[in-house]
Amino acid sequence: DAGVTQSPTHLIKTRGQQVTLRCSPISGHKSVSWYQQVLGQGPQFIFQYYEKEERGRGNFPDRFSARQFPNYSSELNVNALLLGDSALYLCASSFVVDTEAFFGQGTRLTVV
Amino acid sequence: QKEVEQNSGPLSVPEGAIASLNCTYSDRGSQSFFWYRQYSGKSPELIMSIYSNGDKEDGRFTAQLNKASQYVSLLIRDSQPSDSATYLCAVPGAAGNKLTFGGGTRVLVKP
Repeated sequence: DAGVTQSPTHLIKTRGQQVTLRCSPISGHKSVSWYQQVLGQGPQFIFQYYEKEERGRGNFPDRFSARQFPNYSSELNVNALLLGDSALYLCASSFVVDTEAFFGQGTRLTVV
Repeated sequence: QKEVEQNSGPLSVPEGAIASLNCTYSDRGSQSFFWYRQYSGKSPELIMSIYSNGDKEDGRFTAQLNKASQYVSLLIRDSQPSDSATYLCAVPGAAGNKLTFGGGTRVLVKP
């Protein structure tokens, strides 16, 4: 079975640009969450979606947005990129909202 | 006080020894707890889940939960160099809609 897949794996953007990251959950999983991880820290929660509805939002600015599609895949959008947005962006898939979460390989975003 | 706290390490352990990792959390209502292993440059991998007080064993890993004292620990028996990684403790929020992670404990297993 395929695990959680994220694309792209690496990305380099310029300050002020916009970026879209994509995630496909494990087959049968209905919940997708997004996390940001900077070097040396644990992942920080950004969003959770379940059945295409936002179920939680972390302490991130409005430049960050996300959505979930009918096939349960998800996109994370970040507008007006800042140097501080450089991080590993992780997508986690779970069957429902409070069960075990499994991570994709992540997207390494570098803002220059 | 951080919601989930771990010693950052590094925890240096000889090959074949037991590595003991600790995690404390602030939300007394937390019901489930997870340990993830993260190799350098990779994403976190779920290695243990624990929901009840006491011990849970899975291979060389044992998770221990004490809700009264608000701590959860992970023991790695017969440590191998391949166990060298950062171990993250994660606790779901009250609504179950997010995981709060500790900063991770870096483990180094020396041959």
